[in-house]
This record gives sequence, C-alpha cells and structure tokens, in this order.
Amino acid sequence: GENVEQHPSTLSVQEGDSAVIKCTYSDSASNYFPWYKQELGKRPQLIIDIRSNVGEKKDQRIAVTLNKTAKHFSLHITETQPEDSAVYFCAADTGTASKLTFGTGTRLQVTL
Amino acid sequence: GAVVSQHPSWVICKSGTSVKIECRSLDFQATTMFWYRQFPKQSLMLMATSNEGSKATYEQGVEKDKFLINHASLTLSTLTVTSAHPEDSSFYICSARRTSGSPYEQYFGPGTRLTVT
Repeated sequence: GENVEQHPSTLSVQEGDSAVIKCTYSDSASNYFPWYKQELGKRPQLIIDIRSNVGEKKDQRIAVTLNKTAKHFSLHITETQPEDSAVYFCAADTGTASKLTFGTGTRLQVTL
Repeated sequence: GAVVSQHPSWVICKSGTSVKIECRSLDFQATTMFWYRQFPKQSLMLMATSNEGSKATYEQGVEKDKFLINHASLTLSTLTVTSAHPEDSSFYICSARRTSGSPYEQYFGPGTRLTVT
C-alpha cells in the first residue's frame, strides 16, 4: 500500500519567515495530494491541494510543489503569522483504491 | 456548502459497553464515507471505507466485529464501537466524499472524542 513520509516533525520559525514541509510517497499511481491544517481538537482543514498533472499551485501565502519523478511534494508558507501555528498533514490519494494516506504530521510554531 | 457533522462531539463510556457515533453530510449526498482514528499527537489512521448500501471495507488490523460501520443512506454513516476498552479511547473523525464534483476531496466532520473508563 501507499506510504507517506513527512519531514520535519516539528518546525519553529519566526513571524514573517517562510516555512517548508516536505513529503514523499511510494505509490506512483497516487495522483492527488492535499495538505491539511489541524488545530488542537479540531477537524483537519484543507488548505491546498494539487493533482499529478500540475507541478505547482499557489494560493496567496501558501504554495505546493510536486515532483512526480522523485515522488515528493512540498508545502511552502511565506510571511508566516502566529495563526499559522498548527499541525500540518500531507496526504496522498492512492488513485486505484481512492483513499487518503496521511503523513505523520508537522507541528509548526510561529514565534513573535 | 459541503458540511459534515458528527454526533456526539464527545462521549465517556464504561469499559465493556458500546458506543455509536453518527456522521452526517448536511448539504450534499455522499457516495463514500471514511472513518479515521487519531491518537494524541499522531496522524489520522484510516479505519474503514463505507459505501452506501454495501459492506464497509476495513483496513488491515482493524477488527470489523469490534468497529461496526453502517452506511444506510447517502447522508448518514454510523460507527459503533462494541465492547469498548480503555485502549479504544481516541479521537474518531469521519469524512465524506460527494457523489458529484471532485472525485478526490474529502470533507471532514468535527470529530468525536471517546473516553473509555
């Protein structure tokens, strides 16, 4: 089955700096890669997603890049703000089985 | 649009009893619903996938006789934890995929925190 690895597990940045979180996946059939933000005790919120026919997608301060050949994708957050502090999960949809496999999560802390 | 609710939001039960959690898609029809379990400071782990009117597909290692899933309609799926034990204490989250629109996006419920004493 699909395996998604995520790094780093924790990330501390100063307000205004950029944050980058990286994920790798194993199943070349995966073709949908969402990123979720989860605050403590809350549901995961989709913040951006990308499909395998696109290499990069941007939405204001958030961008995702995908390298299908290397099977990795990354989340980039620019001009970080304290409210960006949360746990971020990447995920991959296995296509044929059509289910999400989540990465292990990254706890982002944005300090003043 | 695309709102998913769960009930209850939290529940405390005694060891050996059963607990039912409901997941509803409020403003759309969901062909497929998913049930996840999340332990503290861990990721979401898929437990099972359910399609309306058919038996759920359980992930490896998930006991189907312990975690009963029923997807009786296009807007409702239920998860029953039978003979609950303290190790079943966790955050249970459902999600739903629309019958129309994006074939990939899942809409998550707010989660149910189960504590077994």
